[in-house]
Amino acid sequence: GENVEQHPSTLSVQEGDSAVIKCTYSDSASNYFPWYKQELGKGPQLIIDIRSNVGEKKDQRIAVTLNKTAKHFSLHITETQPEDSAVYFCAATRYGQNFVFGPGTRLSVLP
Amino acid sequence: GEEVAQTPKHLVRGEGQKAKLYCAPIKGHSYVFWYQQVLKNEFKFLISFQNENVFDETGMPKERFSAKCLPNSPCSLEIQATKLEDSAVYFCASSPPGPLDQPQHFGDGTRLSIL
Repeated sequence: GENVEQHPSTLSVQEGDSAVIKCTYSDSASNYFPWYKQELGKGPQLIIDIRSNVGEKKDQRIAVTLNKTAKHFSLHITETQPEDSAVYFCAATRYGQNFVFGPGTRLSVLP
Repeated sequence: GEEVAQTPKHLVRGEGQKAKLYCAPIKGHSYVFWYQQVLKNEFKFLISFQNENVFDETGMPKERFSAKCLPNSPCSLEIQATKLEDSAVYFCASSPPGPLDQPQHFGDGTRLSIL
């Protein structure tokens, strides 16, 4: 079955700097890769996703890149702000299968 | 509704008691998923439904956990004879009809504390 690894487990950046979180997956048939942001006491909220037929997707300060050959995908947050502080989860899935989540990255943006 | 609604927000039970959690998916969504999140933050998949039918229950501890999604009622997750290790946040998510490779929308969870 699918296995998703995520690095780093914790990340601290200065406000205004960029943050990058990387995930690797094992199932080459996986074709959908969402990223979720979880704030304290809340459920995960989808922030961006990408499908396997696309190499990059951007939404304002957030972007996701996918390398199918290497089986990894990354979340990029530019111009970080204190409200970006949260736990971020990646996931991978393919048709007919449940999401497999990575273990999460705790991002702290220091003012 | 436009959001996944989970109740209660917090549930406290003594070890050995029963716990029942509820989830109202987004209107029009066909799939419902239950996850368990423990202190390490990792999400453990428990069970999924397609409408009122069990779709995948490979993550469910069969002995004490059960779940239902009945028409015109919130879905429910029930734990019999709770144990200390059941303490966790339980999340429900829903997704629209169609393939599973599309966004899941999560509720804010039920924090279950077993004393």
